[in-house]
Amino acid sequence: EPEVTQTPSHQVTQMGQEVILRCVPISNHLYFYWYRQILGQKVEFLVSFYNNEISEKSEIFDDQFSVERPDGSNFTLKIRSTKLEDSAMYFCASSDPLLAGGLYEQYFGPGTRLTVT
Amino acid sequence: DAKTTQPNSMESNEEEPVHLPCNHSTISGTDYIHWYRQLPSQGPEYVIHGLTSNVNNRMASLAIAEDRKSSTLILHRATLRDAAVYYCILGSGAGSYQLTFGKGTKLSVIP
Repeated sequence: EPEVTQTPSHQVTQMGQEVILRCVPISNHLYFYWYRQILGQKVEFLVSFYNNEISEKSEIFDDQFSVERPDGSNFTLKIRSTKLEDSAMYFCASSDPLLAGGLYEQYFGPGTRLTVT
Repeated sequence: DAKTTQPNSMESNEEEPVHLPCNHSTISGTDYIHWYRQLPSQGPEYVIHGLTSNVNNRMASLAIAEDRKSSTLILHRATLRDAAVYYCILGSGAGSYQLTFGKGTKLSVIP
């Protein structure tokens, strides 16, 4: 069964450093998302992406964040200058409007745990 | 945005049915009801969705009240693998497809 993959599984970085989190969405999906979950808290939406453009973003997704689809398979989230409060699990997801649940039927990866020290 | 209310936690014995309730009294006519679950240390997983009629799939059933102000996710025979946090999420598809997760219901399955 096709699945979303994410690398690395765990990233440790120092405050102020740039990090890039990588995702490979399901191959025929065209809509991509990033969510994050701070330890013990809710899953929060960050951004959605379609046709090489951001479709929607939350208040969390400020100028420190950017997303890119550098090639036909990868989808990346970059945090330019990490802060302690960026420590969280980051989940990538993808979807296809032809699925029964439409774009609300999103398939999530296993996540990247980002630890900022 | 329409809001959902779920119990914080529930327990079930293994092999028994589980009924997970969700209240959404301010649901609009175009809102679909979606259920996701999150197993420990994993990403959320789509379970099922519905609009007005009851729905079944290989994972679960979704029973929707006639007035649509509540719904129930039914796991017919709970297994240890079903221990997870279950989220009830509304979505109208009106140009926004972000999933808004609440705290969900933490389901414990007792062997």
